Amino acid sequence: EAGVAQSPRYKIIEKRQSVAFWCNPISGHATLYWYQQILGQGPKLLIQFQNNGVVDDSQLPKDRFSAERLKGVDSTLKIQPAKLEDSAVYLCASSLSQGARETQYFGPGTRLLVL
Amino acid sequence: AQSVTQLDSQVPVFEEAPVELRCNYSSSVSVYLFWYVQYPNQGLQLLLKYLSGSTLVKGINGFEAEFNKSQTSFHLRKPSVHISDTAEYFCAVSLIQGAQKLVFGQGTRLTINP
Repeated sequence: EAGVAQSPRYKIIEKRQSVAFWCNPISGHATLYWYQQILGQGPKLLIQFQNNGVVDDSQLPKDRFSAERLKGVDSTLKIQPAKLEDSAVYLCASSLSQGARETQYFGPGTRLLVL
Repeated sequence: AQSVTQLDSQVPVFEEAPVELRCNYSSSVSVYLFWYVQYPNQGLQLLLKYLSGSTLVKGINGFEAEFNKSQTSFHLRKPSVHISDTAEYFCAVSLIQGAQKLVFGQGTRLTINP
């Protein structure tokens, strides 16, 4: 069974530029999550989708971050414009459903450096 | 709101020695508890989780954890570590009710020395 796929793996941009990350979850997984992991910290949930609907985006900085999952499968996360403090690893995860007992499966992440 | 504190940011141990990684949580309501491992340049992988029942939970790669409600702790243990256990370990909680929303601790870096 293929795992969660993410691309690109690494990205370096200048501040104020825009950037987009792509995630393809495990086949059949209805729930998709985007996390931000700053160096030395644990992952922080940015947004959670159930199929193509948003379940929780309370910690997403909506003035610069946006995400979509239009067909309920793959998803993109965009930052526009980027700031220095956005340097982090962006992790995508998926699970069969949004139940509290579920196991989340994580992709390898996209490492973003903003200069 | 829930919070997780991992008491040690780094734990160095010798190969074949036992190890304990400490995790304490704070929540006014019942939670599920999880341990994830992150190997270098990889995503997180579930080691084990406590949902209900026996407070001693066994996971993959020989790890186990014990839920202690009175001390609000969920410490991770392994009786004998290997070089391959070198990784970052994250403790997390999620409310029992509603959609899963993981709140992670800051992580503990486990380094195994030969």
